[in-house]
Order: sequence, then C-alpha cells, then structure tokens
Amino acid sequence: GAGVSQSPRYKVAKRGQDVALRCDPISGHVSLFWYQQALGQGPEFLTYFQNEAQLDKSGLPSDRFFAERPEGSVSTLKIQRTQQEDSAVYLCASSGYSGANVLTFGAGSRLTVL
Amino acid sequence: QQPVQSPQAVILREGEDAVINCSSSKALYSVHWYRQKHGEAPVFLMILLKGGEQKGHDKISASFNEKKQQSSLYLTASQLSYSGTYFCGTVTSYGKLTFGQGTILTVHP
Repeated sequence: GAGVSQSPRYKVAKRGQDVALRCDPISGHVSLFWYQQALGQGPEFLTYFQNEAQLDKSGLPSDRFFAERPEGSVSTLKIQRTQQEDSAVYLCASSGYSGANVLTFGAGSRLTVL
Repeated sequence: QQPVQSPQAVILREGEDAVINCSSSKALYSVHWYRQKHGEAPVFLMILLKGGEQKGHDKISASFNEKKQQSSLYLTASQLSYSGTYFCGTVTSYGKLTFGQGTILTVHP
C-alpha cells in the first residue's frame, strides 16, 4: 500500500484480556519497528525486524509482549493479560533499508486498558 | 539510553527563529529528526549520518557534532505549520532508533 497501515486504530480491553495489534508496512520494506508512545512522551522502542528475523527485542517491557513477522511483511504485536500500564499508542514504522534509516510511521493503535 | 532534548517547550510568533538541542551520553552512528502533530504519526524531517554534517529542509536545518554527541535543529522564520512536537532519534547500535522526550513547538500568528 501507499503507507503503513495499522489496525485496529482504537482498542479498549479489560484488564487481563489479550490483544493483537496488526501492522501492514509499505510493500517491499525490509525493516519494521514497533514503538510504544505514552501520552506526552516520545516513542519508546519495543522491537525491530529485518524481513522475518527479529533482530532486537530489547524494548519489550515484559514476557507478556510478543511480536512476530512470519513472512517478512505483516507484523503482529500481541499483549497477553493486559495491564492498565499497557495503555498507550502503539506505533509501527517501516523502512526500505536495513537498520534504522528513514522511517515511515503508521497512524498507530491506541490501546486503553480498563 | 534516551537522548535528552532541550528545551521542553518553545513558544514563537510567526517569523521568529528557534533552536532545539539533542544530546546523548553514548557515541552516535546517526541522528534523526521527526515532527509529530497532535494525534498524528511522527513524520521524518532529516537524518544526519556524519559528524559535522548539516542538512537543510526548506527553512529547517540541522547539525551533528559527533565528538560532542550532540545535534541541533534550527527553525528559521517559523511558520504556523511548524507547530508540533519535535523528536530527535539517535542510533547507538544497529537497528535501534531511540527517541528523546520531545520538544513542543507552538507558533502563534
């Protein structure tokens, strides 16, 4: 597609529920990043994929967070047993280059955990 | 390690200039600058790959002092459209772009 597409745009979950957030990067982009952005803060790095390989997952806050990109295109960020502190906007970004280069961000998925 | 931006907020009148600074405690491979408007995705402004490199984009330019591990973003003759939150991002290891906490820029008529 023309840009990075994320779904759902808004998600309300009850504490303890599992959620899955989807990212469709720009076609052909090899690098894909997930960031978490709390209100009034900068995006915080979660994880990075180069094609289907997850090269860095050092930013995932706990083992409740899991990301995958099985075929090197669409990626899913899964959060298990959601907690209130997981409430944030989850941003996906892709790049046509390896590593951190010019990133195109999606509009984000806003997660609210009640 | 998150880069540190200063100032946290700037208020300008149209036509005024501003400088936003970004510093890191670690050696940097590159520095990136993004602008985010309220409720929207961050948008790429520029990337600086070499120490001392300066780049320009319309009336927005940036410099990168590799030795001092610092970068500055210069906004000249500001326009209303410049309003938003500016983030610097630093790359200290392959693939990991770490953003600062942001600088809120408000331009008034």
